[in-house]
Amino acid sequence: AAGVIQSPRHLIKEKRETATLKCYPIPRHDTVYWYQQGPGQDPQFLISFYEKMQSDKGSIPDRFSAQQFSDYHSELNMSSLELGDSALYFCASSANLGPEQFFGPGTRLTVL
Amino acid sequence: AQTVTQSQPEMSVQEAETVTLSCTYDTSENNYYLFWYKQPPSRQMILVIRQEAYKQQNATENRFSVNFQKAAKSFSLKISDSQLGDTAMYFCAFMIGAQGGSEKLVFGKGMKLTVNP
Repeated sequence: AAGVIQSPRHLIKEKRETATLKCYPIPRHDTVYWYQQGPGQDPQFLISFYEKMQSDKGSIPDRFSAQQFSDYHSELNMSSLELGDSALYFCASSANLGPEQFFGPGTRLTVL
Repeated sequence: AQTVTQSQPEMSVQEAETVTLSCTYDTSENNYYLFWYKQPPSRQMILVIRQEAYKQQNATENRFSVNFQKAAKSFSLKISDSQLGDTAMYFCAFMIGAQGGSEKLVFGKGMKLTVNP
């Protein structure tokens, strides 16, 4: 079965640089979520989109922005990167008919 | 605000034995879902089991079952016949139930389970 695809899987950036993370949801899933998991931490909700509209926002810094496109894929844009942004970034998707969120493999971002 | 508490940071069990992971939560909502996710060393987040708050019957998925006590706001996971591949971090998670989807997951801090041969 198709799963959530995230790219890139690993990303190394310098402080103050920008990064773009991409997420391709499971086919026919209309909702995308982004979570950030710091080292030794639980995943923290950042932002979600339903039918290409932002539906909820969590502890997402103003330096971050995201959107969902017409093909339902989503991108998380991160600017002015800081050392503390180093984390595993998960994208998850769900279908409107069910509550389960299925997670992608994550993008490991390292900021040097 | 919803909170999820996993009070045991770490547990170990022998292969083929049974282990129970505890989770409590706090909410004023009446319609919600509870989940257990597994995160093996690969860091992939894998859905193990889900429970709807309106269902009295405890969910089961093969070797995994839950004990859902709504009044006590308790949601424990029982793993029977533990296998080496069960070694992972286990996260308990809460979601408000709502029409229209897009409800976020609130996670507990996780519990590291080690299955020993």
